[in-house]
Amino acid sequence: GAGVSQSPSNKVTEKGKDVELRCDPISGHTALYWYRQRLGQGLEFLIYFQGNSAPDKSGLPSDRFSAERTGESVSTLTIQRTQQEDSAVYLCASSLVWRGNEQFFGPGTRLTVL
Amino acid sequence: EDKVVQSPLSLVVHEGDTVTLNCSYEVTNFRSLLWYKQEKKAPTFLFMLTSSGIEKKSGRLSSILDKKELFSILNITATQTGDSAIYLCADSSNTGKLIFGQGTTLQVKP
Repeated sequence: GAGVSQSPSNKVTEKGKDVELRCDPISGHTALYWYRQRLGQGLEFLIYFQGNSAPDKSGLPSDRFSAERTGESVSTLTIQRTQQEDSAVYLCASSLVWRGNEQFFGPGTRLTVL
Repeated sequence: EDKVVQSPLSLVVHEGDTVTLNCSYEVTNFRSLLWYKQEKKAPTFLFMLTSSGIEKKSGRLSSILDKKELFSILNITATQTGDSAIYLCADSSNTGKLIFGQGTTLQVKP
């Protein structure tokens, strides 16, 4: 595709429910990144994929968060038993190769946990 | 712990003014510094800097990196209302992930 796409664009859920956020990177980009942006704050790194592998999961805030990537393409970020503090915009980015290259961002998913 | 600090946090100017945004960093195994502009959701790429003292320029925007003093500046000349946005600075280390600053919110009034 022309750019990084994410779905849904907005998600409202009740506390305790699970949510899945999807990211479609630019075709051919081997690296994929997930970030979280709380209201009025900068971007917080969550996890990145090199191909289908996630070498660094240290940014995931808790064990309720998990992510996977298949076919060196689509990635899914799953948040289990959502809490109100999970409310944020979740941004996905991809880059042609891993390390130091320009990252192209998707439009994000705004998650609201009631 | 890797850290990126931007200043000021917010800025209000009038059209035609020149602004300078600051970014200081402490990053292990520094590779590059990047500037992004965020208007609604998706940050859009502005510059990537890897070498000290070499100015990168794109229209009215320019940026430079000082690897000795560990900072970068982003200059915008002859500001326009369309420049109103959050400007994000980020460092890329050998791990590949970007460490972002908290951003500078720029408002350009007509």
